[in-house]
Amino acid sequence: GENVEQHPSTLSVQEGDSAVIKCTYSDSASNYFPWYKQELGKGPQLIIDIRSNVGEKKDQRIAVTLNKTAKHFSLHITETQPEDSAVYFCAAVGGSGGSNYKLTFGKGTLLTVNP
Amino acid sequence: EPEVTQTPSHQVTQMGQEVILRCVPISNHLYFYWYRQILGQKVEFLVSFYNNEISEKSEIFDDQFSVERPDGSNFTLKIRSTKLEDSAMYFCASTREETQYFGPGTRLLVL
Repeated sequence: GENVEQHPSTLSVQEGDSAVIKCTYSDSASNYFPWYKQELGKGPQLIIDIRSNVGEKKDQRIAVTLNKTAKHFSLHITETQPEDSAVYFCAAVGGSGGSNYKLTFGKGTLLTVNP
Repeated sequence: EPEVTQTPSHQVTQMGQEVILRCVPISNHLYFYWYRQILGQKVEFLVSFYNNEISEKSEIFDDQFSVERPDGSNFTLKIRSTKLEDSAMYFCASTREETQYFGPGTRLLVL
């Protein structure tokens, strides 16, 4: 099955700096890669996603890049703000599709943005 | 904006008791999921449900677990005889295609 590795496990940046979180996946058939933000005591919230036919996607201060050949994808947050502090999870959906879009998650990155 | 809702938000139970966790997915979604997250760990897939049947389940989802969609709106996860290691946050998610939307979770504590 799919395996997703995520680095770093913790990341501390100064407000205004950029933050980059990297993930690799094992199943070359995986074709959808969402990123979720989880605040304390809450469920994961989708912040951005990318499909395998696209190399990069941007939404304001957040961008995601995908390298299918190397099987890795990254989350980039620019101009970080204290409210960006949370745990970020990457995930992958396998290529089986059909009746199942199950997510395989990375272990998460605790991002702390210091004012 | 439609949301996935879950009840209860917290549940404390004694080992060996049965618990039922409830979810109301987004109304026009077709695929439903349960995930769990042990404190400090990653979110793990438990089971997916489509067209009124389980489409995939993980190794965690053993005979003590069952899911049901008893009516057009609710989606439930039942744990028949809880164990200490079942203590976790349980998240329900739903989707029409790939993008999954998660509920706020139920924190289950087994004593």
